[in-house]
Amino acid sequence: ETGVTQSPTHLIKTRGQQVTLRCSSQSGHNTVSWYQQALGQGPQFIFQYYREEENGRGNFPPRFSGLQFPNYSSELNVNALELDDSALYLCASSSDSQETQYFGPGTRLLVL
Amino acid sequence: QQQVKQSPQSLIVQKGGIPIINCAYENTAFDYFPWYQQFPGKGPALLIAIRPDVSEKKEGRFTISFNKSAKQFSLHIMDSQPGDSATYFCAASRGNYGQNFVFGPGTRLSVLP
Repeated sequence: ETGVTQSPTHLIKTRGQQVTLRCSSQSGHNTVSWYQQALGQGPQFIFQYYREEENGRGNFPPRFSGLQFPNYSSELNVNALELDDSALYLCASSSDSQETQYFGPGTRLLVL
Repeated sequence: QQQVKQSPQSLIVQKGGIPIINCAYENTAFDYFPWYQQFPGKGPALLIAIRPDVSEKKEGRFTISFNKSAKQFSLHIMDSQPGDSATYFCAASRGNYGQNFVFGPGTRLSVLP
């Protein structure tokens, strides 16, 4: 059983640019959640995808968007990057038979 | 009401000590409470979780105590080791399928040799 993987591990962008982060869910999991973790803080929920549909969203603007694919992998897209978007972006996968979410290693995004 | 409070912000103990991290919540709809451990540069890893129908759960050196009436829960680490030095997060969710986790702000634990 493979764990949750994310790519890339690190990324540097400039203000106004767009970024796409990728996540492969754990085998057997059909739900992917994305979180933003600023330095020294707990993860904040961005949104969740279940079977290719958005299934809940946190307090993030529409320039944060996502996709889930038929194999349950997922993308997080952020448009018009701002300096405050610098953070660790975490992907977590789960199945509809358990509450637990399993996190990937994250993508560290730096916006200059 | 969606907030989860966590204390202390940081904690230093000697090897073998029993650090205790406390969390409190307001939303009585929460019914699933996991604890995660995070090392620098890594994603959070699930340590142990509890539902409010039990007051205590133990897995290895980690114990969760749960006080439903006070809406508080805590993590105890028995016989702490330097390798336990990490940031610990409590979280809460409604436990049903699809509910997102609300995380506390974290506690940075240092276990001295």
